[in-house]
Amino acid sequence: DAKTTQPTSMDCAEGRAANLPCNHSTISGNEYVYWYRQIHSQGPQYIIHGLKNNETNEMASLIITEDRKSSTLILPHATLRDTAVYYCIVRGRGSSNTGKLIFGQGTTLQVKP
Amino acid sequence: EPEVTQTPSHQVTQMGQEVILRCVPISNHLYFYWYRQILGQKVEFLVSFYNNEISEKSEIFDDQFSVERPDGSNFTLKIRSTKLEDSAMYFCASSGDYPSNTGELFFGEGSRLTVL
Repeated sequence: DAKTTQPTSMDCAEGRAANLPCNHSTISGNEYVYWYRQIHSQGPQYIIHGLKNNETNEMASLIITEDRKSSTLILPHATLRDTAVYYCIVRGRGSSNTGKLIFGQGTTLQVKP
Repeated sequence: EPEVTQTPSHQVTQMGQEVILRCVPISNHLYFYWYRQILGQKVEFLVSFYNNEISEKSEIFDDQFSVERPDGSNFTLKIRSTKLEDSAMYFCASSGDYPSNTGELFFGEGSRLTVL
């Protein structure tokens, strides 16, 4: 699975959009981009995933560049409860893949009042 | 909403003792995983399990570790003889069948293991 690079930490004002970048320049054609977050020491929580099209759900939006070498997770109106470590993970899919996720250090997002 | 449940939430044990951590995955899921997170460090993959056998394991998952699905609902992680460095939060996760689902893993809230 391709390696990802994320900033170590970011701040965001409450109520503003949080834009979390991720670089995955070695991503291959059958690999998806997944975003998870971990609030304090809780279990990681799935946020969103995508292949090449932009995706949106009730939690966030995922913008993937046309060359797929980078992506941005957008939390449209960050709240204090969004303070967490956010992980960008690239993973292949298919029957030969056991489905495991490999977590990096992630980005620590601090939402401030 | 269905969830992965783990017990115990916290276990304290003496070095050298055996520990079993239990997980109840989401009922219709077929893929199961254990991860661990040492305090202040990243979440590390231990093992994946499918069709009643280990499908993949990491270097961390040595002979001291074993997993089992003893019945239709539980998924357990056993550490045979605990060491101080096994102190960590252990997360269980499950996932539905490929390729029909989105492939996300659902994690439990974790079991904190403290080895003294």
